[in-house]
Amino acid sequence: EDQVTQSPEALRLQEGESSSLNCSYTVSGLRGLFWYRQDPGKGPEFLFTLYSAGEEKEKERLKATLTKKESFLHITAPKPEDSATYLCAVQADNFNKFYFGSGTKLNVKP
Amino acid sequence: SQTIHQWPATLVQPVGSPLSLECTVEGTSNPNLYWYRQAAGRGLQLLFYSVGIGQISSEVPQNLSASRPQDRQFILSSKKLLLSDSGFYLCAWSSPGGGNTIYFGEGSWLTVV
Repeated sequence: EDQVTQSPEALRLQEGESSSLNCSYTVSGLRGLFWYRQDPGKGPEFLFTLYSAGEEKEKERLKATLTKKESFLHITAPKPEDSATYLCAVQADNFNKFYFGSGTKLNVKP
Repeated sequence: SQTIHQWPATLVQPVGSPLSLECTVEGTSNPNLYWYRQAAGRGLQLLFYSVGIGQISSEVPQNLSASRPQDRQFILSSKKLLLSDSGFYLCAWSSPGGGNTIYFGEGSWLTVV
């Protein structure tokens, strides 16, 4: 069965303290891996799509990388406004389904 | 550009009452449409998806149903709500095919009392 696991469940950082979030997956035929940011009470906001191992994407303080079994979301010198829950999702051979992890709740303290 | 609208944003319903959440997408044709539920502090659970008018796939047997009466309209319903139906409901869309991003609406908070 296709699965997506995110770790850690929660992460507290001081402003400026860089770290990484992990998303490991077991799917047959990865078609895309997606990262989202979700603020409390809001719908997830799209950040990145990765398609193949070795691919990297960057946006401001965020960089997403992909291997054959996992993806990392690296946060460099985070600011309090980066506090949110970060979700990853995968799309496999069945193009019509997206499977989500439980998310990592990031809290960046000033 | 494409937009997705979902309503109502918040509702409080008594046990046993009916439910109707509505979602519409603008700026695209023949989208795949989805309903997800998110329990507090949890990930997204896929409830239903649709690849076309009248075509609904159910992922989790439950007290809910979905309908797609028009190409860009997706409705989540229940005839009699249970306490366990409380949660955050999200409508989403994607273009058909592999590798296409899924985009979400703002969500609907349902509290069953």
